Amino acid sequence: KAGVTQTPRYLIKTRGQQVTLSCSPISGHRSVSWYQQTPGQGLQFLFEYFSETQRNKGNFPGRFSGRQFSNSRSEMNVSTLELGDSALYLCASSFGQGAGEQFFGPGTRLTVL
Amino acid sequence: AQSVAQPEDQVNVAEGNPLTVKCTYSVSGNPYLFWYVQYPNRGLQFLLKYITGDNLVKGSYGFEAEFNKSQTSFHLKKPSALVSDSALYFCAVRDNGGTSNTGKLIFGQGTTLQVKP
Repeated sequence: KAGVTQTPRYLIKTRGQQVTLSCSPISGHRSVSWYQQTPGQGLQFLFEYFSETQRNKGNFPGRFSGRQFSNSRSEMNVSTLELGDSALYLCASSFGQGAGEQFFGPGTRLTVL
Repeated sequence: AQSVAQPEDQVNVAEGNPLTVKCTYSVSGNPYLFWYVQYPNRGLQFLLKYITGDNLVKGSYGFEAEFNKSQTSFHLKKPSALVSDSALYFCAVRDNGGTSNTGKLIFGQGTTLQVKP
């Protein structure tokens, strides 16, 4: 089975721009979560989607948004980029909700200049 | 509020020696605990989980973890370390304090494991 894929792997943007990151979960997985990883804050939860519905949202400003499509693929969008948004954005998928382990993609490295 | 603590920023061990990476947690209710490993410029790889059952959980690559409810700990262990085990290790707990059936994970700050030949 193919793993979780994320595109693009690297992005460079300037302040004020917006960006869309994409995640394709493992085939058959219906739950997708997003995390932001920075050296200072570590791994922080952004959102969780299951069957196209947002199940949970982390403590991030409204500039961060996401969605999930009927094929379970997910996108996250960050508008009006700030320098502090530079991070590794990780997507994880799992079969169902709750206790199952999540499988992570390689991440998208976003640099905001 | 749920939380996870990894008290050591870095653990150094010689190849062939046993290793332990420490993790303590604070949750309401029964904890669902996980260990992940991250190699440079890579995503997180799942190692093992504790949901219920035996306190000693065996996982990938020869790793195991011991769940201790009284000490609220979930330490990662390996009997004989390899140089290739050098990486960043994260302990995580499922956030069961809010929305039910959520997969949201709360991570510790990570521990860098350095195995020297």
